[in-house]
Amino acid sequence: DIPMTQSPSSLSASVGDRITITCRASRSIGTYLNWYQHKPGEAPQLLIYAASSLARGVPSRFSGSGSGTDFTLTISSLQPEDFATYYCQETHDMFGQGTKVEIK
Amino acid sequence: EVQLVESGGGLVKPGGSLRLSCAASGFSFSNAWMSWVRQTPGKGLEWVGRIKSKSDGGTPDYGAPVKGRFTISRDDSRNTLYLQMNSLKTEDTAVYYCTDGLQLWGQGTLVTVSS
Repeated sequence: DIPMTQSPSSLSASVGDRITITCRASRSIGTYLNWYQHKPGEAPQLLIYAASSLARGVPSRFSGSGSGTDFTLTISSLQPEDFATYYCQETHDMFGQGTKVEIK
Repeated sequence: EVQLVESGGGLVKPGGSLRLSCAASGFSFSNAWMSWVRQTPGKGLEWVGRIKSKSDGGTPDYGAPVKGRFTISRDDSRNTLYLQMNSLKTEDTAVYYCTDGLQLWGQGTLVTVSS
């Protein structure tokens, strides 16, 4: 298991803001890194796979970058439906602790 | 239709056992690595474990909280993934999801461990 350190644990933002979430692995995982959005009562939704590839049907305001140990998820212009909790995950392995994005 | 459907959840006493199933359809299950993920009440997502495809060795691996108690297996002839849970603890109470580790997720099945 490779612990994933995600930050911040929560943030408050307004519609239209640009936000960035970071994820750090304790050793290199190449680009085996996914980002998920999770809303209460729903299954998680894949946003980004292989660190920077946009999943099918996901809006282009979501983007991912990084390789090795340091990764970022960026939402370029926050929309009302984006308020949720976001997780990074090494593919088929541990998740980060999650980042709850709340309305300011 | 491409889907994953979990079943087998329910109420069990501490120390008890339960087996979850995940029926896959609409994709090449036998070629897929599959994972179990859980969400505990009020907490985040937690990786339970995964099993490789048979062509990649078919071996399972587990997260530390469940290692030695849970067993993941697969039956490719039935397109079904399993999670055998033994020596259950109250902290295993969660919604359990099966997933292909990417875009495919089941709807989840609730496991409650309580006396």
